[in-house]
Amino acid sequence: EPEVTQTPSHQVTQMGQEVILRCVPISNHLYFYWYRQILGQKVEFLVSFYNNEISEKSEIFDDQFSVERPDGSNFTLKIRSTKLEDSAMYFCASRSLEGLGNSPLHFGNGTRLTVT
Amino acid sequence: AQRVTQPEKLLSVFKGAPVELKCNYSYSGSPELFWYVQYSRQRLQLLLRHISRESIKGFTADLNKGETSFHLKKPFAQEEDSAMYYCALNNYGQNFVFGPGTRLSVLP
Repeated sequence: EPEVTQTPSHQVTQMGQEVILRCVPISNHLYFYWYRQILGQKVEFLVSFYNNEISEKSEIFDDQFSVERPDGSNFTLKIRSTKLEDSAMYFCASRSLEGLGNSPLHFGNGTRLTVT
Repeated sequence: AQRVTQPEKLLSVFKGAPVELKCNYSYSGSPELFWYVQYSRQRLQLLLRHISRESIKGFTADLNKGETSFHLKKPFAQEEDSAMYYCALNNYGQNFVFGPGTRLSVLP
């Protein structure tokens, strides 16, 4: 069964540095998402992406965040200047267009980001 | 605004006992509801969705629009059911809203 893949599995960075988290969604999916989960807290929506543009974003997704689909397969999340509070597990997800109302999200394994 | 609540952070049951994980939502329209499960150190996986009306791994969930609930049930819990369970809502748009999750611990 096809899966969403994320790299790296763990990223450690210093405060103020830029990080790029990478995702390869399932190949025939058209909607892409980033969620994050701070340790011990709920899964929070960051952004959704469709047709090469952001379709929805949350309050968390401020100017420090950006997403890109640089080629036909990768979907990246960039944090320009990381803060301690950005430390979290970041999940990429994708979704097919078929039966949009009930097509589920398919998640990757996540990237654990640790900002020191 | 859409909101999903799961009142129990932790639920412990003995193996073979029935289990019910509660989920309530607030949304004015007709949402699509899902249950996701996250086993230790693994990704979030779809467990079931209300529109399918199916039973997965012995779990079922019925959408009760009057009570705005989508509780997850299993008549006989197994140790391998121990995991985090998240209820999620989609309003036929693009965003999914997740509840805070309930950690189910099935004791031997």
